[in-house]
Amino acid sequence: DAKTTQPNSMESNEEEPVHLPCNHSTISGTDYIHWYRQLPSQGPEYVIHGLTSNVNNRMASLAIAEDRKSSTLILHRATLRDAAVYYCILRVIIQGAQKLVFGQGTRLTINP
Amino acid sequence: DADVTQTPRNRITKTGKRIMLECSQTKGHDRMYWYRQDPGLGLRLIYYSFDVKDINKGEISDGYSVSRQAQAKFSLSLESAIPNQTALYFCATSDSRGAGNTIYFGEGSWLTVV
Repeated sequence: DAKTTQPNSMESNEEEPVHLPCNHSTISGTDYIHWYRQLPSQGPEYVIHGLTSNVNNRMASLAIAEDRKSSTLILHRATLRDAAVYYCILRVIIQGAQKLVFGQGTRLTINP
Repeated sequence: DADVTQTPRNRITKTGKRIMLECSQTKGHDRMYWYRQDPGLGLRLIYYSFDVKDINKGEISDGYSVSRQAQAKFSLSLESAIPNQTALYFCATSDSRGAGNTIYFGEGSWLTVV
């Protein structure tokens, strides 16, 4: 099964950049890398996704290693509202169907 | 108003009872999903439906059934609830026409089986 490995928790300070790592050594050529985050008492929300190239959007940046076996979600300037569990997820194709395979995520704490 | 609405948001039920969790969406998406989240764990896929006539089992479908009554509605049933089905349940949707297939989640339904 395609799976990802993330640190259980990370801590950072407000207004500083945060780099959240993810390993996905079993990734295949067609698997997209997705990041979602889950704030307390809410459902997960989409952050960013990519396949091979680095990606930027208004929420974050995604840096993908050249061999695609790892990636890093970058929050350029963390705020207290960024405290959440961040999931690095592979979107895989299984028997023709697309699925998101969730890992345990990284709990990010932001200190004021 | 939420685009993906789950009812009930909280429910306590007894072992052996039948319970249904309902999900409706206003996003016009063709794909719908039910996930389960246990404390400290990620989400696991129970069932998914790519359109009204296409329903598929996920990782942990035993003990659950689903019904896709319309494109906008997807319900999850526990025919005979047991305590280890106590969890947070999420409904989600996605649009097969969208690049990358972003999934949109509801706010979750807490189910406690006593």
